[in-house]
Amino acid sequence: DVKVTQSSRYLVKRTGEKVFLECVQDMDHENMFWYRQDPGLGLRLIYFSYDVKMKEKGDIPEGYSVSREKKERFSLILESASTNQTSMYLCASSSTLLGDGYFGPGTRLTVL
Amino acid sequence: QQQVKQSPQSLIVQKGGIPIINCAYENTAFDYFPWYQQFPGKGPALLIAIRPDVSEKKEGRFTISFNKSAKQFSLHIMDSQPGDSATYFCAASERRDDKIIFGKGTRLHILP
Repeated sequence: DVKVTQSSRYLVKRTGEKVFLECVQDMDHENMFWYRQDPGLGLRLIYFSYDVKMKEKGDIPEGYSVSREKKERFSLILESASTNQTSMYLCASSSTLLGDGYFGPGTRLTVL
Repeated sequence: QQQVKQSPQSLIVQKGGIPIINCAYENTAFDYFPWYQQFPGKGPALLIAIRPDVSEKKEGRFTISFNKSAKQFSLHIMDSQPGDSATYFCAASERRDDKIIFGKGTRLHILP
């Protein structure tokens, strides 16, 4: 079974703090993704990576950065958290061959 | 610009009925169309997927119908049960970059 784990289920941070969200997958997948999920807006792609040290901007990359130093780990960084970044953050991974995306349980981030 | 349009936003169906969720896309390079099911507090989970070389795929009570010329695909749930109540997302991706683009989701409620 594919497993995608995220470092925290719930996180509360203050405006201006630097925030790290970690994601780890155990299936040797090439691709990893960060989405945010907001009511009425569905899942919006922030960044994705198709290889170690490679990254591509998604639809809403502003205010975020990512890091992929190892194949199994993909980090999302909020350099200076703002209240409009309060959201559910979902990490996913997929195999280039199959295309099936597997999601982690999500991190609900609240920025006060 | 919304690349994958999903409707309806919400749907209420009596137990045993057949809910139908529709999606449309513009990008003819999309070549993989998965559906995801999400229960409250969980990440989305892959439910069923189709490639454009077939017009229909069934897995248990779930069926995807695909119309390549109309650039539309839909999910049908046969003999729906209260346990099927969840949010459903259609998605699309292309082999070129493996980026998975989601629709906005449909909240399905099956009445007992």
